[in-house]
Amino acid sequence: QSVLTQPPSASGTPVQRVTISCSGSISNIGSNYVYWYQQLPGTAPRLLIYRNNQRPSGVPDRFSGSKSGTSASLAISGLRSEDEADYYCAAWDDRLSGVLFGGGTKLTVL
Amino acid sequence: QVQLVQSGAEVKKPGASVKVSCKASGYTFSSYDITWVRQATGQGLEWMGWMNPNSGNTGYAQKFQGRVTMTRNTSKNTVYMELSSLRSEDTAVYYCARVMWEQLGYYFDYWGQGTLVTVSS
Repeated sequence: QSVLTQPPSASGTPVQRVTISCSGSISNIGSNYVYWYQQLPGTAPRLLIYRNNQRPSGVPDRFSGSKSGTSASLAISGLRSEDEADYYCAAWDDRLSGVLFGGGTKLTVL
Repeated sequence: QVQLVQSGAEVKKPGASVKVSCKASGYTFSSYDITWVRQATGQGLEWMGWMNPNSGNTGYAQKFQGRVTMTRNTSKNTVYMELSSLRSEDTAVYYCARVMWEQLGYYFDYWGQGTLVTVSS
């Protein structure tokens, strides 16, 4: 069981906006940055958001991240079929001295 | 361009060990830590630990301490992850990734293609 909690699934129609939540505790999200990774089917994960809300070059501005207290969210606006993937949040945990991943959210574009 | 290229798929018997390699190119090898993350089929990501290619220092997730060893060969720009006493639950795709440390965070900006390790009698 992951210490960072994500909903197992999310869905939306093309052009819609969808949000994925990630809940943690004071020792991880509450004290450190949150990162988001996208994993397309059959491929390695890819960094999507770093430092809570920053996008690496090449990531469309349809993707945005936010954090408040011990929770974080990933928002995807203008959904496209190619956004169908698994999304993982991650954060350093000070108590464990290690990285924690959320359980992942499978996004379906209807 | 930054690339991490991993060794090929492995099939091992329970109780055996496996050693997976991760060859880096396109950047200064000694300047960035390498981490290992695994993913069982249909499951989520699980962090295993890290290695500093310059110093050889390592840090392992508590779950894997005593069973995992990360090493490097600086002349080959390659990091290795060895997992011992394999059991069926270790069947997974193992990824290496380059680490970006910052004051309040730790993330992975480039990933290898993954190596499938199958543990079966």
